[in-house]
Amino acid sequence: NAGVTQTPKFRVLKTGQSMTLLCAQDMNHEYMYWYRQDPGMGLRLIHYSVGEGTTAKGEVPDGYNVSRLKKQNFLLGLESAAPSQTSVYFCASKGKVTQNTEAFFGQGTRLTVV
Amino acid sequence: GNSVTQMEGPVTLSEEAFLTINCTYTATGYPSLFWYVQYPGEGLQLLLKATKADDKGSNKGFEATYRKETTSFHLEKGSVQVSDSAVYFCALLIKAAGNKLTFGGGTRVLVKP
Repeated sequence: NAGVTQTPKFRVLKTGQSMTLLCAQDMNHEYMYWYRQDPGMGLRLIHYSVGEGTTAKGEVPDGYNVSRLKKQNFLLGLESAAPSQTSVYFCASKGKVTQNTEAFFGQGTRLTVV
Repeated sequence: GNSVTQMEGPVTLSEEAFLTINCTYTATGYPSLFWYVQYPGEGLQLLLKATKADDKGSNKGFEATYRKETTSFHLEKGSVQVSDSAVYFCALLIKAAGNKLTFGGGTRVLVKP
């Protein structure tokens, strides 16, 4: 009963390095989301996907790219990491049935860019 | 646009005290409202929700009532426990492309024995 799984859980990057965060869900959900969480700012939406092969920009998309090649996976990429991208990243997924279905969250990835 | 405003924390309480966390929203449309809770080191979990005006969501002793006239969804618990120490997020969702949740800034609650 995995739900939403994020890898890795922790990572330290040097400025300019690249990396990919993986989100996997086993609930056959249509919608998937990437958020970042910063102190006092709640969760801000980076990118999201309404189905396999689709992606869309959220509130703070700059510096990030995403891909949803398989329905169960949603990848978040940082091509050239910057200290401003130090944050905790959360992936979430949600079923398509109605607007009232619950969103399920992963446990987060703590990223530090030095 | 859509936005959610929560009272800033941290809120420090003694065990068995009454907890209120204020939440107000602005929305272009008719939102569903949610409270999520984040325990230390974990992701967010749905605590309760309400989908229409005057609905009351409840779970684990927490309650919140959807007040359309005041655009509010305040969270309350009559007697908190140490295990309620967490960060609480108010959120709204409007049926649209992506069904995106919009979150408030979160309120950290610390309950002392």
